[in-house]
Parts: sequence; C-alpha cells; structure tokens
Amino acid sequence: EVQLVESGGGLVQPGGSLRLSCAASGFTFSSYAMHWVRQAPGKGLEYVSAISSNGGSTYYANSVKGRFTISRDNSKNTLYLQMGSLRAEDMAVYYCARVRRQWLARGAFDIWGQGTMVTVSS
Amino acid sequence: EIVMTQSPATLSVSPGERATLSCRASQSVSSNLAWYQQKPGQAPRLLIYGASTRATGIPARFSGSGSGTEFTLTISSLQSEDFAVYYCQQYNNWPPGTFGQGTRLEIK
Repeated sequence: EVQLVESGGGLVQPGGSLRLSCAASGFTFSSYAMHWVRQAPGKGLEYVSAISSNGGSTYYANSVKGRFTISRDNSKNTLYLQMGSLRAEDMAVYYCARVRRQWLARGAFDIWGQGTMVTVSS
Repeated sequence: EIVMTQSPATLSVSPGERATLSCRASQSVSSNLAWYQQKPGQAPRLLIYGASTRATGIPARFSGSGSGTEFTLTISSLQSEDFAVYYCQQYNNWPPGTFGQGTRLEIK
C-alpha cells in the first residue's frame, strides 16, 4: 500500500525548534518530488516547502524562508522538515504530500499523509 | 504569485442535486489545475488533475472543466459522503502551487 506517515509534531514554545518526519512506503520514494503543506486550525491549505527527487532543489514559502529546512534521506525513504524560530502563526497540521508524476517537481498531489499537529504556545 | 479565488465560500445543496463549484486564477494556469476534497479530521484527497482528469478511484459523478483562468468542479448527484470542503490548486506557475481558500459544501 502506498502511504505517507508523518511524525514529530507536538507542543513547542515560541522561538523553539521541531523536526517533522514523513516516512514513505509502497513506492519508489527516490523517484518523486515531495512537498509540505500546512493547515492552521479552521483555515485553508498553505503551501510550505518542496524538494526535488534527488534533494538537489528546494523551495520555501516566504512565510518560512530562513527558518525551515526541508531535506530527505532516500536510503531511509523519509522526508524531513526542520522547523526553527517557531511562531504562533506556524501552529498548524503539517501534511507531507507526493507529486503524482515521477521526477517532476510540480504537479497535483496524489498521496497525502495523515498530518501531524504542531502547537506553538508558551 | 498566482492567486486562486474560489466561489462561493459556502454552497448549500440537497442530496441528489447537482453542485457547481468555481475556481478562478489571477493569470492563466493552462490546464495545470487540481481539485481536492477534505473531510473533517482527514487529509485532502485528490479528485481531479489536469483540470478534467479524475484521479484513481474517483466516482464518475465528479467532473472538472475549464482552462486558462476559469475552472469548474461539478458533482452531478450529491451523495451524503460528498459534503466536505473542496480546494483548487494551480501547479502551472510553480513554485508555489497555490491553493484556493476553499468552498464548503453543506447539506441544504
């Protein structure tokens, strides 16, 4: 079964750090670009970050640039999001998602994880 | 950055009736548009990509149309499980793949 499973969310104080993981299974992880999308409570979807299939190219939304780092370990079939200098506005459910077509960085997201909640509060 | 605008914000429709949801892009995105369905407490699910191609396992009552800046998602005969929030997303001018703000489809 093709699936993505996020972990690493939790409660963190403003200014703190957290690392999210997204474990992939059921497909050739190294062939797909991967993305992070977040959703604040009661709000819509916000695009956060992306990484190419080989990890050579990355993208960040302006709202997280300089504070978040996306990476991947293709030998472990795992995607990461290192989050730093966290703010109240970063509080959200964070989803990892796979682009539908192999090798392409852009496209529709056909597989989503179940999400992991990040709470930023003192 | 391309802005995606969905309308209406909330749509009230009776089961068995047709629902039509709209999505407008601030500039042309060709046919590089996807629709997602999200139910409470769940991750989004891909319904349509390429503006009009149904994703694997999506019932035929869901259809997408449009190109350029105007897009429509039509649900031909609403079932109880279709009441959810629907998002459009463009992936033509990437990064980023911007989402619309969503349309909530509720039971009338």
